[in-house]
Amino acid sequence: NAGVTQTPKFQVLKTGQSMTLQCAQDMNHEYMSWYRQDPGMGLRLIHYSVGAGITDQGEVPNGYNVSRSTTEDFPLRLLSAAPSQTSVYFCASSYYRNTEAFFGQGTRLTVV
Amino acid sequence: RKEVEQDPGPFNVPEGATVAFNCTYSNSASQSFFWYRQDCRKEPKLLMSVYSSGNEDGRFTAQLNRASQYISLLIRDSKLSDSATYLCVVNPRGSSNTGKLIFGQGTTLQVKP
Repeated sequence: NAGVTQTPKFQVLKTGQSMTLQCAQDMNHEYMSWYRQDPGMGLRLIHYSVGAGITDQGEVPNGYNVSRSTTEDFPLRLLSAAPSQTSVYFCASSYYRNTEAFFGQGTRLTVV
Repeated sequence: RKEVEQDPGPFNVPEGATVAFNCTYSNSASQSFFWYRQDCRKEPKLLMSVYSSGNEDGRFTAQLNRASQYISLLIRDSKLSDSATYLCVVNPRGSSNTGKLIFGQGTTLQVKP
């Protein structure tokens, strides 16, 4: 049972570099989202998607792009990494509204 | 004011103790409520949903008070394995068709032998 798979688990970037965090789920979930978790801040929503081809911004979308070309995949792109984007990133999916969200194992990103 | 607020703790309790966490939310029209558990350096996992009538799962009891806009989690007979961070999660009004969730910052519980 793969569930939600995130890659990579760890990443170090230099300021100004770009990269894509991958997220894939095999549960045929419609709803997918990206969160970042910082000490004392809880999880904050970056972007979310209610289905293939549909995405929207969350609470902290600046500096990030997403796309949802398939139900399974929801990559998060950092356009030009900044030290403020040092965080732990979690991808989550759920089958329908108000149902349990399943999280990936997280990506620990450091921007130097 | 944060949409979902929790006392970050830590709560340090001995094994066997009963401990309660509260969480307040600002949007009075919020529709769904959950408690998630997060172990150190791991992903959050659903502990239990919170229903209007209150619900119990073994040693865990969740309550919702809509009038005062808070939810609670009671853990009875604490075990060492209960040590974790407990996240209060709300699905706010207008977001029920998006799966959007708002997380509190979490309450840390340490159960000591």
